[in-house]
Amino acid sequence: DTAVSQTPKYLVTQMGNDKSIKCEQNLGHDTMYWYKQDSKKFLKIMFSYNNKELIINETVPNRFSPKSPDKAHLNLHINSLELGDSAVYFCASSQTGSLGKLFFGSGTQLSVL
Amino acid sequence: GIQVEQSPPDLILQEGANSTLRCNFSDSVNNLQWFHQNPWGQLINLFYIPSGTKQNGRLSATTVATERYSLLYISSSQTTDSGVYFCAGRAPGGGADGLTFGKGTHLIIQP
Repeated sequence: DTAVSQTPKYLVTQMGNDKSIKCEQNLGHDTMYWYKQDSKKFLKIMFSYNNKELIINETVPNRFSPKSPDKAHLNLHINSLELGDSAVYFCASSQTGSLGKLFFGSGTQLSVL
Repeated sequence: GIQVEQSPPDLILQEGANSTLRCNFSDSVNNLQWFHQNPWGQLINLFYIPSGTKQNGRLSATTVATERYSLLYISSSQTTDSGVYFCAGRAPGGGADGLTFGKGTHLIIQP
């Protein structure tokens, strides 16, 4: 069973569109994350979310919004897509506290044309 | 926030060679972890190592928390070890904050 799964794996869309990426974890973790990996492979945190708080990286445009229907899911919604949004987006999860080993999904490669 | 520096940025080795990758932190961190991103883009957690030494097969890692650095050792390299190695950590008291990643070491193992 896949521990952290995200869909779709590839997403090609036009500028200005709205899109969502789904993420689910079956590890029983209490915290989920979205990371963005740019063309130089740099990984940057976008959001951290558990049932108590949402932590937003201040550099993330408000066109990006996480939506969590329950503890096991954290979807990423993006409005008005721009060319610069093209990147690989990774979902991840961990348990807060001292045992916070981070597990990643397989990534979604977003291409905005 | 904390700064994470990894060295070397690139490394090309022959199969069978040993290597040491280094990660320096600008401030105290907890939750220090090492990851391998394979050529297909998959990110695999190698070690959770806030301090001390751990070994897993041909890989081992050592963190000296008081001096704010960690080392990843790869022995008897295989071509499947190729990819990008990342270290990451979180400032103490970060709670649910995500990990801050270094820029990675791009390792190529040639047959």
